Amino acid sequence: EIVLAQSPATLSLSPGERATLSCRASQSVSSYLAWYQQKPGQAPRLLIYGASNRATGIPARFSGSGSGTDFTLTISSLEPEDFAVYYCQQSSNWPLTFGGGTEVEIK
Amino acid sequence: EVQLLESGGGLVQPGGSLRLSCAASGFTFSNDAMTWVRQAPGKGLEWVSTISSGGGNTYYADSVKGRFTISRDNSKNTLYLEVNSLRAEDTAVYYCATYRGSGRPLEYWGQGTLVTVSS
Repeated sequence: EIVLAQSPATLSLSPGERATLSCRASQSVSSYLAWYQQKPGQAPRLLIYGASNRATGIPARFSGSGSGTDFTLTISSLEPEDFAVYYCQQSSNWPLTFGGGTEVEIK
Repeated sequence: EVQLLESGGGLVQPGGSLRLSCAASGFTFSNDAMTWVRQAPGKGLEWVSTISSGGGNTYYADSVKGRFTISRDNSKNTLYLEVNSLRAEDTAVYYCATYRGSGRPLEYWGQGTLVTVSS
């Protein structure tokens, strides 16, 4: 099973600041890495797929990078609606696995 | 507009069973694989099961293998998850999501249905 380790667990930032979230895989997942955003009481929403492709309707301030085992989600300038939990997920191998999540909270 | 609507959750005693459903609309259901993901209260996301577009291939997490059965009815645009021999640790919100195959993300998600296992 491929284990995804997300860091940090919590990121305390102010609106307008840049957020950098990390996801590290226990073995290569090529570029089969997605990022999701989840707000309280809501379903996850796909942000990034294929490591760096924004999903439909996702603002340009969200970007993804990386390949192999190390991946990054960057939010260039935090908007109030961006404070949420973010998960990475790999679809390279069965079972599909998720990281433990990074909470981006208001400082 | 893609819509996924889960139903069938509820309170069930340990050892009990439920049948979860996910009604799909807004896309060609029979073309897409489908997946169930769950989230225990206050915890992260856990993949549960995936079924191929035609239903011939199924995949399960080790934690549910032998107790849960995924199926679909393409004539009704509906995905199912039969959950049996339920345990307290199965308590979670169960989401269905579209999955277009190997290497692809979980693109669209339903709002989830809550399963609570308690005596």
